[in-house]
Amino acid sequence: NAGVTQTPKFRILKIGQSMTLQCAQDMNHNYMYWYRQDPGMGLKLIYYSVGAGITDKGEVPNGYNVSRSTTEYFPLRLELAAPSQTSVYFCASSYSGVGRRTEAFFGQGTRLTVV
Amino acid sequence: KQEVTQIPAALSVPEGENLVLNCSFTDSAIYNLQWFRQDPGKGLTSLLLIQSSQREQTSGRLNASLDKSSGRSTLYIAASQPGDSATYLCAVGDNYGQNFVFGPGTRLSVLP
Repeated sequence: NAGVTQTPKFRILKIGQSMTLQCAQDMNHNYMYWYRQDPGMGLKLIYYSVGAGITDKGEVPNGYNVSRSTTEYFPLRLELAAPSQTSVYFCASSYSGVGRRTEAFFGQGTRLTVV
Repeated sequence: KQEVTQIPAALSVPEGENLVLNCSFTDSAIYNLQWFRQDPGKGLTSLLLIQSSQREQTSGRLNASLDKSSGRSTLYIAASQPGDSATYLCAVGDNYGQNFVFGPGTRLSVLP
């Protein structure tokens, strides 16, 4: 059971480049999340999804896009990378249903540097 | 808007001590609260999940309590060990499961 898998682990981008951060979960969780973590700060929600085909903005969505075509995958797209997007990105998943909600499981993170 | 704070920001203790980490949140209308551990350069590992209807959860040397009315949770670590050194984060789950709001974390160092 792999849990939540993120790729790549590290990436350096030049200003203006684009990239997609991959996230996959094999727990059949309906909820998936993307967070960013800046040094000394808590995690901030970028986007989330409550199920395939449904996504919504979190606290800091500007400069990012997401899609959720299947339950398993939730990629995060960065368009026109900026230095302010230098951060560690975490994908997470959880299950929420009638009378039941699981804990959140996190991937190992993607460390992104924009130069 | 839910805000989560954690005190202290950093803590250094000798091995064997019992310690308490604090988490406070401003909106008591939560669904659950989760404590995580984060090692340097790593992802988050779930330690304990407390549902809003519960008062505490225990796992080994860890005990987490929840007082919704006062907006507080504590993580108690018994007989601390150097391997407990990490950053501990608390996260509050909102009533709709759409978000976890994180505190900034407490960086714990347990000295041999």
